Amino acid sequence: GAGVSQSPSNKVTEKGKDVELRCDPISGHTALYWYRQSLGQGLEFLIYFQGNSAPDKSGLPSDRFSAERTGGSVSTLTIQRTQQEDSAVYLCASSLVRGQGGGANYGYTFGSGTRLTVV
Amino acid sequence: AQSVTQLGSHVSVSEGALVLLRCNYSSSVPPYLFWYVQYPNQGLQLLLKYTTGATLVKGINGFEAEFKKSETSFHLTKPSAHMSDAAEYFCAVTGYNQGGKLIFGQGTELSVKP
Repeated sequence: GAGVSQSPSNKVTEKGKDVELRCDPISGHTALYWYRQSLGQGLEFLIYFQGNSAPDKSGLPSDRFSAERTGGSVSTLTIQRTQQEDSAVYLCASSLVRGQGGGANYGYTFGSGTRLTVV
Repeated sequence: AQSVTQLGSHVSVSEGALVLLRCNYSSSVPPYLFWYVQYPNQGLQLLLKYTTGATLVKGINGFEAEFKKSETSFHLTKPSAHMSDAAEYFCAVTGYNQGGKLIFGQGTELSVKP
């Protein structure tokens, strides 16, 4: 597609429920990133996928958070047993990756995000 | 490890005045630096980036930033603020062999007064 697509755009869930957030990157972009933006906070790195390499999960805040990327394209971020502190905007970005500069060589395209509210 | 500090969570300027948003970074490798803008209820839009070469980088909407290695800074400027510049601005850093993982600052909200 023309841009990075995220769905749903808004999600309200009850505390303790599981949620799945979807990211559809730009076709051909091999790198995919998930970030979290909490109210009044900057963007917090969560996880990074690059091709067939093992993902960099160093930013996941707890074992309730997981993500997968199927077929090198669509990614799903899953939050189990949601808590109120999980309320945030979850942003996805994709980029071409070439060389050791990573996505910096080509820039990153961000989706509009999923606003998650846990009540 | 890399980190970004944006000085001032809120900056207010008058229309037509100089805009200066401060960003300092820490990086153990040569940095690649970015400024993004986020308008209300929208995603992030790239303003400009520095990877290599000329240290003064020009971006969209009249913004520019200068990479100063000695000061570990990448401040964003615009000579004359416009009402439409009101938004949140994020500075970010990645670097060579960092897998392209962007580390963001906390953001600076810019208000423009008529």
